[in-house]
Amino acid sequence: AQSVAQPEDQVNVAEGNPLTVKCTYSVSGNPYLFWYVQYPNRGLQFLLKYITGDNLVKGSYGFEAEFNKSQTSFHLKKPSALVSDSALYFCAVSPYSGGYQKVTFGIGTKLQVIP
Amino acid sequence: NAGVTQTPKFQVLKTGQSMTLQCAQDMNHEYMSWYRQDPGMGLRLIHYSVGAGITDQGEVPNGYNVSRSTTEDFPLRLLSAAPSQTSVYFCASSGQVTTAPNSPLHFGNGTRLTVT
Repeated sequence: AQSVAQPEDQVNVAEGNPLTVKCTYSVSGNPYLFWYVQYPNRGLQFLLKYITGDNLVKGSYGFEAEFNKSQTSFHLKKPSALVSDSALYFCAVSPYSGGYQKVTFGIGTKLQVIP
Repeated sequence: NAGVTQTPKFQVLKTGQSMTLQCAQDMNHEYMSWYRQDPGMGLRLIHYSVGAGITDQGEVPNGYNVSRSTTEDFPLRLLSAAPSQTSVYFCASSGQVTTAPNSPLHFGNGTRLTVT
């Protein structure tokens, strides 16, 4: 069965420092990988996705993620954190086939950017 | 462009009561789904639909019913509410119904349900 692991419940980073939110996955075959962000009392918003091709994916709000097939990881990164980046971040994986019902979400990582 | 709209935003029910959570999208999306979000468990799929008249069960369907009479609307019904159904519920949609889910899901802002 496919799965997503977000090993850190919370990540604290000082404003202006680089941030990393970790994600590892398990799926049969090649994956589609996504990062979503959730602000308080809001739904999830799409940040970026990996489908195929370049292992470094750039997304919204200056975020990027690096796909590493050998380590089955898809870590979210940003060179310089902003206080406004504080939110809950979800990694999601899906196999190439099977439809949206096959999308599996991680449990989320709370990012706290400290002024 | 409203996107995905969920109503109500908050609801308190007593055990045994029934209610319907509403979801509507104005993007002409074929795929619609309901998730529940619980602490430490992420998002779990309840039911989904790949078009009007077509619905299927997700990971945690028990206690919930859905129907899809139009492309726009996908209501979720709680038949007899239980405290275990206390959760935040999200509706999500996508324009693709192919077997390649490579476009993101669009989420509503959620309904926070408490069952006492």
